Amino acid sequence: AQKVTQAQTEISVVEKEDVTLDCVYETRDTTYYLFWYKQPPSGELVFLIRRNSFDEQNEISGRYSWNFQKSTSSFNFTITASQVVDSAVYFCGLITGFQKLVFGTGTRLLVSP
Amino acid sequence: DTGVSQDPRHKITKRGQNVTFRCDPISEHNRLYWYRQTLGQGPEFLTYFQNEAQLEKSRLLSDRFSAERPKGSFSTLEIQRTEQGDSAMYLCASSSRLAGGPGEQFFGPGTRLTVL
Repeated sequence: AQKVTQAQTEISVVEKEDVTLDCVYETRDTTYYLFWYKQPPSGELVFLIRRNSFDEQNEISGRYSWNFQKSTSSFNFTITASQVVDSAVYFCGLITGFQKLVFGTGTRLLVSP
Repeated sequence: DTGVSQDPRHKITKRGQNVTFRCDPISEHNRLYWYRQTLGQGPEFLTYFQNEAQLEKSRLLSDRFSAERPKGSFSTLEIQRTEQGDSAMYLCASSSRLAGGPGEQFFGPGTRLTVL
């Protein structure tokens, strides 16, 4: 069975602080994809990144970066110099086999000015 | 706007009534998914269509739930004899083998169901 754990329920930071959101996954499959989605207060899920199980290279996109470590089954997400607009719920997800996305329970990020 | 659309956005119903939701995916997407999200939880998979074929159904989809995608375009999700436990946000997503690759699912704004 596949499982995604986001142990941090809520994180509060002040603007310009760096913040890391943790994601730990479980799967017996050797081929899988990991994702991060953002759900702002408006409610619509926004795709942020996909990483396949054979690519452990870290990725940076502007203020966002992702650290994928198969050895610890983790796919952590860091926001550098956070901004108020980053306030949202962030979901980590996993896909194996059929296209069913398994999500974690999410981490609510609150960035205050 | 060519994103995923869902109708209605909000639905309030009394226990025991039937409700139907509609999802219009991005036009060139052949894959369509339904998820359910309750407060404080991540979305949970309900069912998946490739074109008009329903390829996978979750155990969450009890016999009171039925989903269709008759012409491989829009989809409907019907809940019969609603129960208070059905209150949730129902999310639709679509994807294409050609657009983005595995798992890049584009989500609609959701239909929030409240069962009184």
